[in-house]
Order: sequence, then C-alpha cells, then structure tokens
Amino acid sequence: DVKVTQSSRYLVKRTGEKVFLECVQDMDHENMFWYRQDPGLGLRLIYFSYDVKMKEKGDIPEGYSVSREKKERFSLILESASTNQTSMYLCASSQTRNTIYFGEGSWLTVV
Amino acid sequence: AQSVTQPDIHITVSEGASLELRCNYSYGATPYLFWYVQSPGQGLQLLLKYFSGDTLVQGIKGFEAEFKRSQSSFNLRKPSVHWSDAAEYFCAVGEGGGADGLTFGKGTHLIIQP
Repeated sequence: DVKVTQSSRYLVKRTGEKVFLECVQDMDHENMFWYRQDPGLGLRLIYFSYDVKMKEKGDIPEGYSVSREKKERFSLILESASTNQTSMYLCASSQTRNTIYFGEGSWLTVV
Repeated sequence: AQSVTQPDIHITVSEGASLELRCNYSYGATPYLFWYVQSPGQGLQLLLKYFSGDTLVQGIKGFEAEFKRSQSSFNLRKPSVHWSDAAEYFCAVGEGGGADGLTFGKGTHLIIQP
C-alpha cells in the first residue's frame, strides 16, 4: 500500500514562529503536493513538486514556501505563522498520470 | 481554468436507502475524474477514478460513478448506504491524473439517519 506520512498530526504555534510541516512518501512517486483544507472552501493547492529541487506554485502560495531535497520528502514552511494560517494541511503524492494519495493531515493552530 | 461543482453541501439519507452525490466539472480536455472520501479528522481515501474507457466505474465500499461527457457530470452512487458511510465526499478533476495536482469541489457532507 502507498504510504504518505505526515509526522505531526497536531501542532500549536505562536504568531510569528517559523513552522515546518514534514511529509514522506514510500512509493518513489515523482509528484508531491501540499493542500490546505478549510470548512466550506474544500481543498486548495498551495505548492507542488514534480521532481527533486523543483517546485511550482499552486493556487494559494502566499505566506508559504516548500523544500524538496530528496525525492521522498516534501516540506511545507511557514516563514512567519499567522492566525489565518490555522488550518488542516494535507500532503499528497502521485506518479504522473495516476492516482494522488493523501496523508492523514496535520492540524495547525496558530495563536 | 478547470473547476468542480458539488451542488449539495449536505445530504441526509436513511440507512439502507440509495444515494447519489452530484458532481459537475468544467475542463477543456478529457478529464481525469476522482471521488475521495474523508472521515472526521482523517486524510482523503480514494473511492474510485475515471481515466478512460467504460463510463461506469466501480469503486471500493460498494460505490460506483458514471461519467457523462454530454452533461459534464461524474455522479457518485451507492444502492444501499450504511451508517459507516457518513463522511465528507469530494469530487476532483485533473489533467494527467496528477502531474499538476487536482482541483477539488467543496465537498458534500453525508449524514446517515437510522
């Protein structure tokens, strides 16, 4: 089975802190994604990556950055967390032209 | 730009009754279509997908979906729902099934009445 692992399920951070959300996949997938999910808004794509050290902006990249130093790992970075970034963050991976598989999500609260 | 509309925010169905969740999409080329389910506090689990071929697609947990190009729809159906089907359901469309991510609908919350 495909496994997408988000190491932190629940985080509470203070405004202005730098936040790292880590994601690892075990299927040698080329593509990795970060979405955020908010009630009534569904899932929105923040960033994606189709290769190591490559990244592309999604629909809502403002306030976020990403890092992909190794094929299996894709990190989402909030340089200076703000309360409007309180949300559920979902990591996903896929092989091109195939199904996207999701992790279980990371609940981030910024206070 | 591609988009997905799930017209029903909430649907309530009695246990044992049939279910249909609606999904309409806007996409310039032949779409890759997906239905995902999300239980509370969990990630998204793939129910089924349509890439090409037979327009009636069978998925897990007894779900099926039918691709209708003329109506730009990909509705999800189940002949008899169980209490464990209560969850959030998302329809999604993408190009190539994943090269640049998926566009999701806003979801339909399914409530099962005893």
